[in-house]
Order: sequence, then C-alpha cells, then structure tokens
Amino acid sequence: DVKVTQSSRYLVKRTGEKVFLECVQDMDHENMFWYRQDPGLGLRLIYFSYDVKMKEKGDIPEGYSVSREKKERFSLILESASTNQTSMYLCASSGRLGIGYTFGSGTRLTVV
Amino acid sequence: KNEVEQSPQNLTAQEGEFITINCSYSVGISALHWLQQHPGGGIVSLFMLSSGKKKHGRLIATINIQEKHSSLHITASHPRDSAVYICAVSYYGGSQGNLIFGKGTKLSVKP
Repeated sequence: DVKVTQSSRYLVKRTGEKVFLECVQDMDHENMFWYRQDPGLGLRLIYFSYDVKMKEKGDIPEGYSVSREKKERFSLILESASTNQTSMYLCASSGRLGIGYTFGSGTRLTVV
Repeated sequence: KNEVEQSPQNLTAQEGEFITINCSYSVGISALHWLQQHPGGGIVSLFMLSSGKKKHGRLIATINIQEKHSSLHITASHPRDSAVYICAVSYYGGSQGNLIFGKGTKLSVKP
C-alpha cells in the first residue's frame, strides 16, 4: 500500500522554538507539497518541491522553510514557532502532472 | 476570488439517500480530484479524473469539461460517509501537480 508518512500526529511546541515536520513517501514521486489547513480557509500551499534540492514558494511561505535532500523526504521547518502557526499541516506527494496525488495523515501542531 | 466553488457547503442526509456534491471551476484544468477527510483525519484521494465518469463502490464522479463542472455522487449513503469532501483541480500553467482547492462540503449522514 503506497504511503505518505508524517512523523508526528500531534505536536505541542513553545513560542520561539525551531520545529521540524518530516514527511516521507515511498512512491518514487517527483513532487512533494506542504499545506496547512485552517477552519474557514481550507487548504493553503506553503511550499512544494518538484525535484531533489528544488523548492518553490506556495501561497503562504512566510515563517517557513523546507528541505529536500533526498527524493523520498520533504521537511517543513518553522524557524521560530509562533501561535499563529497553530494548525493542521498536511504533506502530499504526486508524480508529474499530479498523477497519484497522495496525502499524509496530517500533523496537528499547537504552539503555546 | 476562489477559482473552485463547491456546493453545498453543508449537507445533512438520512441513511440510504442519494447524495450529490457539485464543483465548478473557472480555469483550464488538466485533472480534477475529489478528496475525502474524516473528522480529525488525514485526506484520502477518492478520484482523479480528466473526462467522463469514474465509479468506485458506491461513489461516482463525473466531469463535464465544456461546462467546467464536476459532481460527486454517493448512492445508498451511510453514516460512515460523514466527512468533508473537497474538490481540487490541477490547472494548465500551474506548477507541476499544484492544486487549487475548493472550501469543501461537510456531509453528515444520520442513521
């Protein structure tokens, strides 16, 4: 069964902490994505990557960075967590042109 | 302006009813996705389609490219179908695999 695995289901961090969210896919997909989901706002794209070491800003990249050193792994980094980054974070991957789009189970991050 | 519009926003049905969720979009697309999200859960891809119709169990998805419209149908609905259903499109000119999402339709099926 193909999978996108996010390292944590729930996470609580303090304001100012550096936070790492990890995502691993086993489908040899070229594209990987990080979204956040908030009530009333739906899914919003933070960053995506279409190849190793390549990254593109999405709609709301401020306060975030990403790393893709290997094809199967895409990390989202909150440089200095703030309370307005409390949200559900979803990772996804796909082949070229969106083939096989697959989401992870999500990480619910609370920043206190 | 959201380029992907879903209706209705909320839907309550009795078990066994036939359900239709609609999605309209304004951009040229390469594919349309229907996604399902249970409360507190991750997102599951139900369908990806670029033309015609697809069926999986009690779920049917159709798309009319000329009218820029898609529908998701659930036959013989069941309480376990209660979830948020999200329409998303991958569009020409967008970055590879990048999606535009609708705001979702929250479905509640009562026993």
